[in-house]
Amino acid sequence: GDSVTQMEGPVTLSEEAFLTINCTYTATGYPSLFWYVQYPGEGLQLLLKATKADDKGSNKGFEATYRKETTSFHLEKGSVQVSDSAVYFCALSQGAQKLVFGQGTRLTINP
Amino acid sequence: DVKVTQSSRYLVKRTGEKVFLECVQDMDHENMFWYRQDPGLGLRLIYFSYDVKMKEKGDIPEGYSVSREKKERFSLILESASTNQTSMYLCASSLGTGNGYTFGSGTRLTVV
Repeated sequence: GDSVTQMEGPVTLSEEAFLTINCTYTATGYPSLFWYVQYPGEGLQLLLKATKADDKGSNKGFEATYRKETTSFHLEKGSVQVSDSAVYFCALSQGAQKLVFGQGTRLTINP
Repeated sequence: DVKVTQSSRYLVKRTGEKVFLECVQDMDHENMFWYRQDPGLGLRLIYFSYDVKMKEKGDIPEGYSVSREKKERFSLILESASTNQTSMYLCASSLGTGNGYTFGSGTRLTVV
């Protein structure tokens, strides 16, 4: 079945550092890909998405590019802030519309 | 903005009680979902629904049931709560493939 693999956390960075959180997927067909963010004590919020190969999703300084050749959708941000501390989930959906989530990566940014 | 509202943020129930978790969305979405989130296990799909009165089992339906009598409301029912159902429960809705989900804020359920 379809699956999503994220880099294991936790990830700890200093403010203004460059962030990459790796995400790879296994799926038949052409899934849509998503990044969600969960701040402490809250539900998940859609951060960005891409629906076809080579699409780049972006929001709040975060970016991710849908790479079909490497089946990847890595999340990047050039300069992180303390307020970016959260858990980040990579996910895919296709066909039946169910989202398949990765395990989540906890990110902590120190001032 | 689409809103998904879960009726309680925190809930404490006793073992054996019947528990109802309510979820309401206000954007006429066909699809609604219930997940539970546990440390180290990520999000696991319990049940989902693509239409009124329709339901499908997810990956971990045992011990749960659902009800969708109206399009905007999707209820999760714990028939006889057990301590291993202590968890964060997340409801979500969506319009269709490629649109992603909108999540509620979650209900943290503790069964004692």
